[in-house]
Amino acid sequence: DAGVTQSPTHLIKTRGQQVTLRCSPKSGHDTVSWYQQALGQGPQFIFQYYEEEERQRGNFPDRFSGHQFPNYSSELNVNALLLGDSALYLCASSLLYGLMNTEAFFGQGTRLTVV
Amino acid sequence: SQQGEEDPQALSIQEGENATMNCSYKTSINNLQWYRQNSGRGLVHLILIRSNEREKHSGRLRVTLDTSKKSSSLLITASRAADTASYFCATAGGRRALTFGSGTRLQVQP
Repeated sequence: DAGVTQSPTHLIKTRGQQVTLRCSPKSGHDTVSWYQQALGQGPQFIFQYYEEEERQRGNFPDRFSGHQFPNYSSELNVNALLLGDSALYLCASSLLYGLMNTEAFFGQGTRLTVV
Repeated sequence: SQQGEEDPQALSIQEGENATMNCSYKTSINNLQWYRQNSGRGLVHLILIRSNEREKHSGRLRVTLDTSKKSSSLLITASRAADTASYFCATAGGRRALTFGSGTRLQVQP
């Protein structure tokens, strides 16, 4: 059973460009969340997708957008890249049922460097 | 913004000693989870404790939760060099996504 897979693993982009990161959740999971982790910091919640809709959003600008597909995979898009967007981007999949969040399974992340 | 704050920020111990990390949070929760991260890689789930539980064990890990004080602790007994990593607490409430603290960086000296 494959866990959470993210692609690419590393990426270098120029300021002002756009980037798309991809995530395939763990088999059987229906919810995908994206996090940004700056060096030496904890992961910061970007947004969460469930049933192909953005359900929750953290304190990130509209330059950050996403999508979830019918097979539960997800994309994170960042437009007009800034140097400050350089970080490890983590995708987490989980099951949402009732009101109880269960454990999340994380991918290995995409290391984005903006130059 | 961070929901939880871990304490200490960094901890260095000798192999065989116990390591204790603390986490404080601000809002009501359904559960609290601890994760481990090896140098810039993905996070690995360690243990989940629900709001109606006070203590939970998993192998060498012991987690306590005090909802009245909005705090939790993670104890790693008989530490090994392989336990060197960053440890994060994360809180979950309702359908709210997991919110992470800033982490404790644990160094276990062989």
